Amino acid sequence: GENVEQHPSTLSVQEGDSAVIKCTYSDSASNYFPWYKQELGKRPQLIIDIRSNVGEKKDQRIAVTLNKTAKHFSLHITETQPEDSAVYFCAAKDAGNMLTFGGGTRLMVKP
Amino acid sequence: DSGVTQTPKHLITATGQRVTLRCSPRSGDLSVYWYQQSLDQGLQFLIHYYNGEERAKGNILERFSAQQFPDLHSELNLSSLELGDSALYFCASSPVAGAYNEQFFGPGTRLTVL
Repeated sequence: GENVEQHPSTLSVQEGDSAVIKCTYSDSASNYFPWYKQELGKRPQLIIDIRSNVGEKKDQRIAVTLNKTAKHFSLHITETQPEDSAVYFCAAKDAGNMLTFGGGTRLMVKP
Repeated sequence: DSGVTQTPKHLITATGQRVTLRCSPRSGDLSVYWYQQSLDQGLQFLIHYYNGEERAKGNILERFSAQQFPDLHSELNLSSLELGDSALYFCASSPVAGAYNEQFFGPGTRLTVL
């Protein structure tokens, strides 16, 4: 089955700096890669996603890149703000429609 | 608010007991997914139902079972509970079962097994 690894597990940045979270996946048939943000005690919420036929997608301060050959994808957050502090999960959906999540990255943005 | 509802919010029970968690998907969504999130852990996929039929199974224990009813709500049954089953259980829904559909998560049910 699919295996998704996510790094780093914790990330601390200064407000205004950029943050990058990286994920690798194992199943070359995976074709959809969403990123979820989970605030403490809350539900995971989709913040951006990318399909396998696209290399990059941007939405305001958030961008995701996908390298299918290397089987890795990354989340980039620019101009970080304290409200960006949360746990971020990457995920990969395989041909069997199963979503496998990475272990999560706890992002702390220091004001 | 994602439109997905889960009841109860909290559940405290004893080892060996059986509980039922309920999920109502967003209006019109046919797919329901169940996930388990243990303390400081990621989200583990348990099972996926689409329009009443089981579509995919993840790391779901034999003591756990689920079903989706004709009105599309779903229930996750956990039996012979162990301390290690304490976790946050999320359900999520999406319109269809296709590859590119966002999954909308419910608020979760926090299960504590004493």
